[in-house]
Amino acid sequence: QKEVEQDPGPLSVPEGAIVSLNCTYSNSAFQYFMWYRQYSRKGPELLMYTYSSGNKEDGRFTAQVDKSSKYISLFIRDSQPSDSATYLCASSAGGTSYGKLTFGQGTILTVHP
Amino acid sequence: EAEVAQSPRYKITEKSQAVAFWCDPISGHATLYWYRQILGQGPELLVQFQDESVVDDSQLPKDRFSAERLKGVDSTLKIQPAELGDSAMYLCASSPQSSTDTQYFGPGTRLTVL
Repeated sequence: QKEVEQDPGPLSVPEGAIVSLNCTYSNSAFQYFMWYRQYSRKGPELLMYTYSSGNKEDGRFTAQVDKSSKYISLFIRDSQPSDSATYLCASSAGGTSYGKLTFGQGTILTVHP
Repeated sequence: EAEVAQSPRYKITEKSQAVAFWCDPISGHATLYWYRQILGQGPELLVQFQDESVVDDSQLPKDRFSAERLKGVDSTLKIQPAELGDSAMYLCASSPQSSTDTQYFGPGTRLTVL
């Protein structure tokens, strides 16, 4: 079993829809949680960064972490065709593992006009 | 805006040949990472440098892969000999000393081994 599991999709939604992307993780030591966006043939781009449980909002994006259920979510409001990309969740334990990220498989999202 | 630079962007080689990838991190970033991303999967860490020192190379196949960051700035990842299973995207990332979980990725080098 991988430490971070993510449904690869693909997920296809109409423009303006609310998108929900999810990951689960198994390592209780994970404290830092990130979402990256990766366009085709490009490197991942950091979207959201959260520490421990709770919500974080940035524009149309909201990241949620529930450590009790080991569940990570990213919500995209008013989705746009430009949001079409692969979304990767990642986690890190910090401490002696400082900087070592464990990624999920990625979810392919298509937002159609 | 500062970016991580990588070259080449694409590399096609035959198995048993040697290949090398280059990375120039964002200026001032002490930590540098090399990841491998197989198509349809998330990136997996190969090696992590803090300045010129290797911090973690536990997932680096050391029989054929090597990495160096001699002056603590740019870095080279080498594969010799390349195998068919090495076909993947090789990503370099860097992070500032103060926040090593905030990693900035380069565009990657897509390697195809024939």
